Amino acid sequence: SQTIHQWPATLVQPVGSPLSLECTVEGTSNPNLYWYRQAAGRGLQLLFYSVGIGQISSEVPQNLSASRPQDRQFILSSKKLLLSDSGFYLCAWSVSANTEAFFGQGTRLTVV
Amino acid sequence: TQLLEQSPQFLSIQEGENLTVYCNSSSVFSSLQWYRQEPGEGPVLLVTVVTGGEVKKLKRLTFQFGDARKDSSLHITAAQPGDTGLYLCAGAPYNTDKLIFGTGTRLQVFP
Repeated sequence: SQTIHQWPATLVQPVGSPLSLECTVEGTSNPNLYWYRQAAGRGLQLLFYSVGIGQISSEVPQNLSASRPQDRQFILSSKKLLLSDSGFYLCAWSVSANTEAFFGQGTRLTVV
Repeated sequence: TQLLEQSPQFLSIQEGENLTVYCNSSSVFSSLQWYRQEPGEGPVLLVTVVTGGEVKKLKRLTFQFGDARKDSSLHITAAQPGDTGLYLCAGAPYNTDKLIFGTGTRLQVFP
């Protein structure tokens, strides 16, 4: 069966520090991978998506970047965090954009 | 920007009432999905509607996909406290690989 792992679950980082959130998928090959950010009680904002190794599409100009160094690994990074980067970050995978998306447990990031 | 707008944003009702949540866009979608999310967790799929005009039922939940495949609705009959949560529509605009989510509807059902 397929599983998705996302870590860490919570993170408190000072302004100006770097960020690395990692997401890995098991039990499937060549998945579509997604990074979303969610404000409290609101919808999910698509940040990045990837349909293959090294292929990253950015949806929103921002202080973040993403990489896919391996087929089932998706990394969200920042060189210098801003206060506005705080939020709930979710990684997801799907077979295609029109099929069910499966989500990790999320990372609650607080920038102080 | 291709958006999925949901209405209402918040809904607070008594147990036993009926409700409808709407999901609208100016873009055409190959399919639309509905998810429910609990606090601190990722969304979980409820249903996918694929054909324009399609109606799907899941116990007390009825989902409809608009004829033009630009909108969808979720109707809950006789709501229960267990229906409380954040409801999200989602889809990939036609001919794209990106899965975008709606603005969300927070439902609270009181006993």
